Amino acid sequence: GDSVTQMEGPVTLSEEAFLTINCTYTATGYPSLFWYVQYPGEGLQLLLKATKADDKGSNKGFEATYRKETTSFHLEKGSVQVSDSAVYFCALSENTNAGKSTFGDGTTLTVKP
Amino acid sequence: NAGVTQTPKFRVLKTGQSMTLLCAQDMNHEYMYWYRQDPGMGLRLIHYSVGEGTTAKGEVPDGYNVSRLKKQNFLLGLESAAPSQTSVYFCASSSPTGVSNTQYFGPGTRLTVL
Repeated sequence: GDSVTQMEGPVTLSEEAFLTINCTYTATGYPSLFWYVQYPGEGLQLLLKATKADDKGSNKGFEATYRKETTSFHLEKGSVQVSDSAVYFCALSENTNAGKSTFGDGTTLTVKP
Repeated sequence: NAGVTQTPKFRVLKTGQSMTLLCAQDMNHEYMYWYRQDPGMGLRLIHYSVGEGTTAKGEVPDGYNVSRLKKQNFLLGLESAAPSQTSVYFCASSSPTGVSNTQYFGPGTRLTVL
C-alpha cells in the first residue's frame, strides 16, 4: 500500500536559517503530493502541492519539487521565521482512491529568535 | 465561507459514556473524513464518506460509528467511550473534481476519556 516517510523531528533552527524537511513516498500509481502545516491548537492546512513529476509547489517562501525518480518531495525554505514554528506533514493522494490521503507522521519545527 | 467546522471543541467523558462529534462543511464537497491524531502517530483515518448516505471504514474504525444523512454533515459517534479513545479528532472534506484531492480540515475536537 501507499506510505509516506518524513524526516523525524523535532527540528530546531535559528531565525533566518535554511530549512529542509525530507519526505519520501511509496505509491502504486501517480499520486498528487502535498505539504500541510499545523499551527498550535489548529487543524491542518494546505501549504503547497504538486500534481505531477517535476512540478514545483511553492507558497509563503516554501518550495518542494515532485521527484518521481527518487520518489521524494522535500520541503525547503531559504530563511525561516519564528512564525514558521509548526508541525509539517507530507502527504500523498491517489486520484482513484475516494480522495483518501496518506500522511507522514509529521515533523515539528521550532524557530528561535 | 466558514469552511469546515467541528462541534464541540473540547469534551471530557467518563468510560462507558457516549457522545457524537459533529462536522459541517459549506464547500459542497462530496468526500468527508474523520481522523484521530495521537502524539507520534500522525493522522489515522477512522471512517470516511464519498457522498450523502454512504460511509466506509478507514484504518482504525473499531469503537466508532458514523453517519452522513446530509451532504454537508458527517457525524462521528462513540457508543461506549474508552480511555484509548482519548485523542484529538479532525474532520476533513475534499472534492472529487480536479486532480489534486486537497483536503480541508476543521479545527479539531480534543476528547479526554477518564
